[in-house]
Amino acid sequence: QKEVEQDPGPLSVPEGAIVSLNCTYSNSAFQYFMWYRQYSRKGPELLMYTYSSGNKEDGRFTAQVDKSSKYISLFIRDSQPSDSATYLCAMSAWDQAGTALIFGKGTTLSVSS
Amino acid sequence: TAGITQAPTSQILAAGRSMTLRCTQDMRHNAMYWYRQDLGLGLRLIHYSNTAGTTGKGEVPDGYSVSRANTDDFPLTLASAVPSQTSVYFCASSFGPRDTQYFGPGTRLTVL
Repeated sequence: QKEVEQDPGPLSVPEGAIVSLNCTYSNSAFQYFMWYRQYSRKGPELLMYTYSSGNKEDGRFTAQVDKSSKYISLFIRDSQPSDSATYLCAMSAWDQAGTALIFGKGTTLSVSS
Repeated sequence: TAGITQAPTSQILAAGRSMTLRCTQDMRHNAMYWYRQDLGLGLRLIHYSNTAGTTGKGEVPDGYSVSRANTDDFPLTLASAVPSQTSVYFCASSFGPRDTQYFGPGTRLTVL
């Protein structure tokens, strides 16, 4: 089992829809959770960052972490064509040896107008 | 602020040739990383450096080498390129090794 699992999609929705993107993980030591957005032929850019269970909201985006279920979600309200991108979850543990964020493989989202 | 710059933007390289991908950051971040991104495989860590003067191997280090002579620069060298190294390469940096990473625009490399 991979440390981080993410459904690759693709996910296609009409403009205005609510989108739910999800990742599951197996390492209970993960404490920091991030969502990155990557437009085609661009580098990933940080979208949301959270280190605790519960919800964090930023405009149309809400990040949700459920540590008991080892499950994180990103909700996009009133989705726009400009939200069409690949979304990658990433996570890390404070006491993790070496380095690095562990990334999911990304979910490709397409929002049609 | 430029953030992270990578050069070249794209390159076509003959198999067997060597090449260095350049990465520079101006955020005074301690940690830097090199990833490759391939369809269906996601981002895979090649090498990392937690601080200037130190480097470490990631998930897919074979065929690549790095150096970290100073805080700002983290070049990635392919000593003898092979077609399986065709990929998009991203450099990233973070303040510390477990902090949020910021990515460069990528280098698209094709090895023929």
